[in-house]
Amino acid sequence: EAQVTQNPRYLITVTGKKLTVTCSQNMNHEYMSWYRQDPGLGLRQIYYSMNVEVTDKGDVPEGYKVSRKEKRNFPLILESPSPNQTSLYFCASSYRGARTGELFFGEGSRLTVL
Amino acid sequence: GIQVEQSPPDLILQEGANSTLRCNFSDSVNNLQWFHQNPWGQLINLFYIPSGTKQNGRLSATTVATERYSLLYISSSQTTDSGVYFCAVGQTGANNLFFGTGTRLTVIP
Repeated sequence: EAQVTQNPRYLITVTGKKLTVTCSQNMNHEYMSWYRQDPGLGLRQIYYSMNVEVTDKGDVPEGYKVSRKEKRNFPLILESPSPNQTSLYFCASSYRGARTGELFFGEGSRLTVL
Repeated sequence: GIQVEQSPPDLILQEGANSTLRCNFSDSVNNLQWFHQNPWGQLINLFYIPSGTKQNGRLSATTVATERYSLLYISSSQTTDSGVYFCAVGQTGANNLFFGTGTRLTVIP
């Protein structure tokens, strides 16, 4: 089954404790992206990747890191989480980029930073 | 970045009714997609429709790119249609999509 898989789905952590949210897709998509969703603000892009070893900032990249060492994986790293990073996070992928392709989303990861 | 406005922000329908959701955008786009976020938070791609009209069952969408808007039609609504509908657009040469703040639809039996 074609899918985008995120882990963990739910996480409660404390300020400053490094964490990683994994994202994997099995559709051989070139493009992957991370979004955060906050009430009243819709979805905002954090980082995206056009292909292996190619990443770029979205609209709200501060406090986040990403890497794309393999085509299927695109982890989101919070080096020192803060309470303002409490949010619902979505990973998404597309065959050939946001310009031309349908975007498929993972199920979301709800993060709470205390 | 490009501005995306969706209307109405909230909509309550009786089961069986029809509805039209609107998405206005502030600049030329070459990518427009509609998504449904169900009550469990899942985001499902409904349409990839940078221009023209598409239909999928009870749902259809029309984008008039020259006038910078798109419409999502839901006919004979069902309770399972409840959730938030998002419009997202992308511009020529850009690699990100900008999302509107959504229309929250509630269908009551």
